Amino acid sequence: DVKVTQSSRYLVKRTGEKVFLECVQDMDHENMFWYRQDPGLGLRLIYFSYDVKMKEKGDIPEGYSVSREKKERFSLILESASTNQTSMYLCASSFPDRGRIYEQYFGPGTRLTVT
Amino acid sequence: GESVGLHLPTLSVQEGDNSIINCAYSNSASDYFIWYKQESGKGPQFIIDIRSNMDKRQGQRVTVLLNKTVKHLSLQIAATQPGDSAVYFCAEIWSGYNKLIFGAGTRLAVHP
Repeated sequence: DVKVTQSSRYLVKRTGEKVFLECVQDMDHENMFWYRQDPGLGLRLIYFSYDVKMKEKGDIPEGYSVSREKKERFSLILESASTNQTSMYLCASSFPDRGRIYEQYFGPGTRLTVT
Repeated sequence: GESVGLHLPTLSVQEGDNSIINCAYSNSASDYFIWYKQESGKGPQFIIDIRSNMDKRQGQRVTVLLNKTVKHLSLQIAATQPGDSAVYFCAEIWSGYNKLIFGAGTRLAVHP
């Protein structure tokens, strides 16, 4: 079974702090993704990566950055956390199929609260 | 997560009944669709997928129907069980954009 793990289930940070959310997958997937999930808005794509050291902006990248130094690890960084970044953050990975995105495997999520 | 279902449309069914969850998608050029199930406190899990050259696909207790004319997708769950209680999302692949677009979700509540 594919396993996607996220470093924390719950996180509380103060406004202005730098926050790191870590995601690791064990299936040698090329593609990795970061989403945030908010009530009534569904999942929104923040950033994704097709390969090591490669990143692409998703639909809502503002206020976030990412790092992919190793194939299995994809980090989401909040440079200066703000209260509107309080959300559930979900990491996902998928194998490539001629560059297409298909089934994505999700981690359990990190619920981040910024106070 | 725990609060995902708070503001979503809810479908309430009796245990043993069949459930039908509907989804309207946005892009007529989308060529691949997925249904995900998200239980409380967990990430979404893949249930079933369908390509645009099909109009029906069956899995174990689940059937997905695709109507491209009206851009509508449905998930049918036979003999619904308490373990089916979750939020269900449809997702579409936008051809040429190479990304997954998720719907807002529907909460399924199964009552004994």
